[in-house]
Amino acid sequence: AQSVTQPDIHITVSEGASLELRCNYSYGATPYLFWYVQSPGQGLQLLLKYFSGDTLVQGIKGFEAEFKRSQSSFNLRKPSVHWSDAAEYFCAVGAEGGLTGGGNKLTFGTGTQLKVEL
Amino acid sequence: DTEVTQTPKHLVMGMTNKKSLKCEQHMGHRAMYWYKQKAKKPPELMFVYSYEKLSINESVPSRFSPECPNSSLLNLHLHALQPEDSALYLCASSQGRSFTDTQYFGPGTRLTVL
Repeated sequence: AQSVTQPDIHITVSEGASLELRCNYSYGATPYLFWYVQSPGQGLQLLLKYFSGDTLVQGIKGFEAEFKRSQSSFNLRKPSVHWSDAAEYFCAVGAEGGLTGGGNKLTFGTGTQLKVEL
Repeated sequence: DTEVTQTPKHLVMGMTNKKSLKCEQHMGHRAMYWYKQKAKKPPELMFVYSYEKLSINESVPSRFSPECPNSSLLNLHLHALQPEDSALYLCASSQGRSFTDTQYFGPGTRLTVL
């Protein structure tokens, strides 16, 4: 079964500093990988996704992520953090046919809470 | 328009009540999802309707019952819930059922079971 580990529960960075959020996955085949962001009391917004091809993926809001198969990692980065980036960040892995009835299942990591100091 | 709407925003119900959550999208998407998210936890997929076919996470108890009246609407019927079912219930939709189709999430319904 697929799984996702986000080792950092909380991260605090200063505004303007660079950011890296860690994500490690476990999946037998080539994974479908995602990063989502959730602001308090809100739904989730997709930042970026990786299926195949170029291992460096660009997303919205200036975020990027790099897929490293040898390390089973998909870390999220941003060169300069803005105060509005404070939120919960979830890494997720997709498994085809993971549900009864044949549907695809998205499994989320436990999330990393990002605080931005002004 | 990439909006998924959910009603109500908040719901408080007793353990003997029957209630329903509603989700709507007008993006022409053919897959819709229900997720449950407990506080400080990641979302967990409960159900998927894609092309009118239901897929189920087997860990979801039968007191939750999804319904998809048409491709734009998704309901979640609640009956005889327990206090531990209190959570944020998120609806999402995507163009198709493939992972290459981005899932768009609604803001959620905050459910409290007394």
